[in-house]
Amino acid sequence: QKEVEQDPGPLSVPEGAIVSLNCTYSNSAFQYFMWYRQYSRKGPELLMYTYSSGNKEDGRFTAQVDKSSKYISLFIRDSQPSDSATYLCAMISNTGKLIFGQGTTLQVKP
Amino acid sequence: EPEVTQTPSHQVTQMGQEVILRCVPISNHLYFYWYRQILGQKVEFLVSFYNNEISEKSEIFDDQFSVERPDGSNFTLKIRSTKLEDSAMYFCASSEDGGTADEQYFGPGTRLTVT
Repeated sequence: QKEVEQDPGPLSVPEGAIVSLNCTYSNSAFQYFMWYRQYSRKGPELLMYTYSSGNKEDGRFTAQVDKSSKYISLFIRDSQPSDSATYLCAMISNTGKLIFGQGTTLQVKP
Repeated sequence: EPEVTQTPSHQVTQMGQEVILRCVPISNHLYFYWYRQILGQKVEFLVSFYNNEISEKSEIFDDQFSVERPDGSNFTLKIRSTKLEDSAMYFCASSEDGGTADEQYFGPGTRLTVT
């Protein structure tokens, strides 16, 4: 079983739609969960960072962690064409290295 | 805003040649990382570095790879004898204290093409 699994998409939505991106993971020891955004040919950029279970909101973005199901989500409200990118979920191991999902490519059409 | 920089942005090399990828981490950061991303695949951890020593390395990071902090600002990844399968984007990252709650800041990457 892969440590982190994420549907690569692509996901195409109209502008203004609510987007839901998800990852599952296998290691119950993970405590810190991140979402990175990566534009084409650029480095990953941290978008959201959550600890343990629960929700965290930042503007149009909400990150959700369900540790009992080993499932994390990122919701984007009122999606914009500028949100078109690849979204990577990641967890930090106890040694500090990041373990990434495959990344989901999102396209928001005007 | 401080950022991680990487040079070159694109490196083309022939199989068997040595390459050095360069990174300038954020100045007050103490932990440094290299990750790579083969086209269409996930970002993978290669190595972490702290206090002039490797803290952790992945299975990918074999004897052909080495890292160095030659001075107070640069952090380099050397591949001694490149293979076709080393073609990938290589990302450098740095963090302030390396803890599990600490954000890693990524550079823009170096695209390595091995022919």
